[in-house]
Amino acid sequence: DAGVTQSPTHLIKTRGQQVTLRCSPKSGHDTVSWYQQALGQGPQFIFQYYEEEERQRGNFPDRFSGHQFPNYSSELNVNALLLGDSALYLCASSPGTLYEQYFGPGTRLTVT
Amino acid sequence: AQKVTQAQTEISVVEKEDVTLDCVYETRDTTYYLFWYKQPPSGELVFLIRRNSFDEQNEISGRYSWNFQKSTSSFNFTITASQVVDSAVYFCALSADYGQNFVFGPGTRLSVLP
Repeated sequence: DAGVTQSPTHLIKTRGQQVTLRCSPKSGHDTVSWYQQALGQGPQFIFQYYEEEERQRGNFPDRFSGHQFPNYSSELNVNALLLGDSALYLCASSPGTLYEQYFGPGTRLTVT
Repeated sequence: AQKVTQAQTEISVVEKEDVTLDCVYETRDTTYYLFWYKQPPSGELVFLIRRNSFDEQNEISGRYSWNFQKSTSSFNFTITASQVVDSAVYFCALSADYGQNFVFGPGTRLSVLP
């Protein structure tokens, strides 16, 4: 049984560009959350998707957007990249909104 | 507002020493969950333990033990007889949403030297 998977593993982008990160939840999980972890800091909650809609959102600008597909996989999009967007982006999934999340390995984004 | 504080930024110990990682949390919710995660250099968060606010019983799992005290809003983590493989960043996290949408502390980097 595969756990949470994320792609790509690493990504390098230039300031001002746009990026899309992908997450496939653990089998049987329908809820996906995204976190940003800057170097030397704890992960910070970006938003959560359930039933293809954004359910909750942390303190992140509108440049950060997402999507959930009917198969429960999810994308995180970041527009107009800033150097400060360089971080490890973690995806977490759960079987519904009332259960514990499981984390994926993350995508490391570097903005130059 | 919810907040998690891990005052120890970095700790270094010699193998076989015991080490305690501190965690202090703030929340106005009466029902909440506390977690500890380990993050090795690979980056993936490894779940260690979950505790809900109604269960103050301390727990031991092998060399790991946890001390939850609501009176001081603390959830400390002790590794007994530390090993080099314990070297990692450890995060304490709080969730008032059934284990979702965590608020993480800044982490404590533990280095266990041979």
